[in-house]
Amino acid sequence: QKEVEQNSGPLSVPEGAIASLNCTYSDRGSQSFFWYRQYSGKSPELIMSIYSNGDKEDGRFTAQLNKASQYVSLLIRDSQPSDSATYLCAVIATGGFKTIFGAGTRLFVKA
Amino acid sequence: NAGVMQNPRHLVRRRGQEARLRCSPMKGHSHVYWYRQLPEEGLKFMVYLQKENIIDESGMPKERFSAEFPKEGPSILRIQQVVRGDSAAYFCASSPNAGAVTDTQYFGPGTRLTVL
Repeated sequence: QKEVEQNSGPLSVPEGAIASLNCTYSDRGSQSFFWYRQYSGKSPELIMSIYSNGDKEDGRFTAQLNKASQYVSLLIRDSQPSDSATYLCAVIATGGFKTIFGAGTRLFVKA
Repeated sequence: NAGVMQNPRHLVRRRGQEARLRCSPMKGHSHVYWYRQLPEEGLKFMVYLQKENIIDESGMPKERFSAEFPKEGPSILRIQQVVRGDSAAYFCASSPNAGAVTDTQYFGPGTRLTVL
């Protein structure tokens, strides 16, 4: 079992729709969870961080965390073509130093 | 620009040569992380350093790879006797308070290493 798993996609949604990205993790002691966006050939850019169970909203983005299910998700509302990128889920392992990244989900937003 | 800086941005080496990748963290950050990203794959943790200390190198290959973060100057990732499989993008990230639950890492633009 991979430490952080994501559906590789590609996930294709029409402009204006909600894109839903999912991630599961294996380290039950993890406390910190992040979503990064990475455009092709560029470095990862932090979108959201979440540390407590429940939802956290920031503009068009909502992160959801369920530690009991070891599941974290990212919702993108009113998707735009500029949201087309690879979205990386990241989890800080127990101990607080090592960050484990998922392989990423490729999102395409069709105009 | 107060962001994380990496240089060179592109590096070409022949098999057997040495590659040195440099990373200057954001101002006020004393924690540096190195990651490797192979084409079409996610980022793989390599090493975490504080000034003059290697804290976690569990992701570093046992041979040919080394990292340092001296008291003065940038962090260096050194790859000796490069092989074609070392071709990848190498990203550096920095953070102000590693180990804190709310710590956030900020990424540099990366160095793309090509081994011929």
